[in-house]
Amino acid sequence: DADVTQTPRNRITKTGKRIMLECSQTKGHDRMYWYRQDPGLGLRLIYYSFDVKDINKGEISDGYSVSRQAQAKFSLSLESAIPNQTALYFCATSERGSGQPQHFGDGTRLSIL
Amino acid sequence: AQSVTQLGSHVSVSEGALVLLRCNYSSSVPPYLFWYVQYPNQGLQLLLKYTSAATLVKGINGFEAEFKKSETSFHLTKPSAHMSDAAEYFCAVSDEGGSYGKLTFGQGTILTVHP
Repeated sequence: DADVTQTPRNRITKTGKRIMLECSQTKGHDRMYWYRQDPGLGLRLIYYSFDVKDINKGEISDGYSVSRQAQAKFSLSLESAIPNQTALYFCATSERGSGQPQHFGDGTRLSIL
Repeated sequence: AQSVTQLGSHVSVSEGALVLLRCNYSSSVPPYLFWYVQYPNQGLQLLLKYTSAATLVKGINGFEAEFKKSETSFHLTKPSAHMSDAAEYFCAVSDEGGSYGKLTFGQGTILTVHP
């Protein structure tokens, strides 16, 4: 089983719908992150969380919200989806401490029509 | 604030040729630097990381990178390309001091390997 699991892997939906992307991890890491990937732009940070009680905005948080339900679970929501939120979304985790690498899920490909 | 620039969005090499993927960073403090690889329909996988222990860092699959402070560079190399190296590669720098664990990624370089 994967250490960082994202569901669903693919989703097609319509403008205005509410969408939730889920991430769960078995690595026991405190830190979790949500990114979106767009061609030619690399990955950009949406939200990050250091523990269950800590949520922080990233570079591009507008239009998104998150919930850290447990140490192992971190969900990303699009309250009212719009077409320019069509992208590949990644969840990642890391241990505490300086210079720790991040470990990524396989991504959710989201298309908003 | 830190930033990363990857020179060349596409690099094409022949099988057996040298692979060189360029990365320049900007950071006001000694950085932590990473290279990740992304194969189709997969997440990012860590290739190697620089955390100030040694300037030449060896990673998986025969890749290595050299940290050059004077040039603010962290270029990725592999002496002999394999077909299986075809993927997208991302350079990333950690947030200042690394204590928050946030990464800033470059735009990515797609590596194509020709037979």
